[in-house]
Amino acid sequence: DSGVTQTPKHLITATGQRVTLRCSPRSGDLSVYWYQQSLDQGLQFLIQYYNGEERAKGNILERFSAQQFPDLHSELNLSSLELGDSALYFCASSVGWGTGGTEAFFGQGTRLTVV
Amino acid sequence: AQSVTQPDIHITVSEGASLELRCNYSYGATPYLFWYVQSPGQGLQLLLKYFSGDTLVQGIKGFEAEFKRSQSSFNLRKPSVHWSDAAEYFCAVGVPVTSGTYKYIFGTGTRLKVLA
Repeated sequence: DSGVTQTPKHLITATGQRVTLRCSPRSGDLSVYWYQQSLDQGLQFLIQYYNGEERAKGNILERFSAQQFPDLHSELNLSSLELGDSALYFCASSVGWGTGGTEAFFGQGTRLTVV
Repeated sequence: AQSVTQPDIHITVSEGASLELRCNYSYGATPYLFWYVQSPGQGLQLLLKYFSGDTLVQGIKGFEAEFKRSQSSFNLRKPSVHWSDAAEYFCAVGVPVTSGTYKYIFGTGTRLKVLA
């Protein structure tokens, strides 16, 4: 158990809909990362938050947004869903700062299926 | 731009044989390097990491990796593979974002199949 909790584990929704994925980081971790894993794109970095502030953006679509709340949990919002958004979405957390960096700890992922 | 390349998409080895998974990175400064393993339907688990010091690092499950700056490589090795090692393996590099924080760039992964 990595200590990172993601809910829900599975989500099936229709095209055009909006969903919210939730992530609770490990206790003490200030950085949260979101990744999208699909068969053809591999593990793509979406966005990073550190202590409530956005710190880095990757290949995140404009239809997607995220935030990190004061209690450090994070939500990834996906809207106007398309079939191609079907993927496994991972949240990871790390201490996120300091000399040398530290490793990221991953949750079990949310499998999103858009039909 | 920072990137990680794993040239082998699939590798098949026999149980008991040795294993080497390749990883090359592109990053201007001293890299922070990681290897993760993902079993089917699971999240990613850290195998080992390199920050500085000894270029040969030991990890869990009998894995080791060697950092070679001259080749920009961080290859993962195991002397004798077990059937339970069948999984997907990801190499990653940690790069600074803003003062003190980091993001992680992953390779596309190598899927390992182990033959009995």
